[in-house]
Amino acid sequence: EIVLTQSPATLSLSPGETATLSCRASQSVSTYLAWFQQKPGQAPRLLIYGASIRAAGIPGRFTGRGSETEFTLTISSLQSEDFAVYYCQKSDNWPPLTFGGGTKVEIK
Amino acid sequence: EVQLVESGGGLVQPGGSLRLSCTASGFTLSAYSMNWVRQAPGKGLEWVSQITGSSTRRDSAESVKGRFTISRDDARNSLYLQMSRLRVEDTAIYYCARENYDPSYGYYLFDHWGQGILVTVSS
Repeated sequence: EIVLTQSPATLSLSPGETATLSCRASQSVSTYLAWFQQKPGQAPRLLIYGASIRAAGIPGRFTGRGSETEFTLTISSLQSEDFAVYYCQKSDNWPPLTFGGGTKVEIK
Repeated sequence: EVQLVESGGGLVQPGGSLRLSCTASGFTLSAYSMNWVRQAPGKGLEWVSQITGSSTRRDSAESVKGRFTISRDDARNSLYLQMSRLRVEDTAIYYCARENYDPSYGYYLFDHWGQGILVTVSS
């Protein structure tokens, strides 16, 4: 089973700064990697799929990169609504479709 | 507008059973694979189970295999999760999620989620 490890667990930043989140896979997932944002009390929201393709309606400040086992999600110029928890997911339609443990982006 | 609405959650004793439902609207359910994902209180997301269109393939996480069964009734626009032999550690919010396919790039994506339903396993 492929394990996804996200780092750091928590990122403390100020509005306007850039957030860089990491997701590492224990084996190659090619570019079958998605990113989700989750705010308290809400369902997850798809941000990125195919490692770098922004989902419909997602602002350009969200950028996904990577392949094989190393992936990053960059959030440029953090807005107040971006403070949330972010998860990566193996998304190749071949179960188990595991999630990473999450990175919390909090206001410094 | 695509909508997914879960129901059937609640409090159940350890060893008991519960059936969750997810009612879909705004799209043709039969054309999509569907998934259940759960989140224990204060914890991360855990993929639980998947069923492909026409129920050709079903799969579940090892943590629930043999206890949970995913099914669908496309005529009723509904997805189900039959949960039996429930454990305290199954306590979580359960989400249903649609798995879409982008043919332009050849990728799968969980593009729509329900609001979630709480299942509490406790004596």
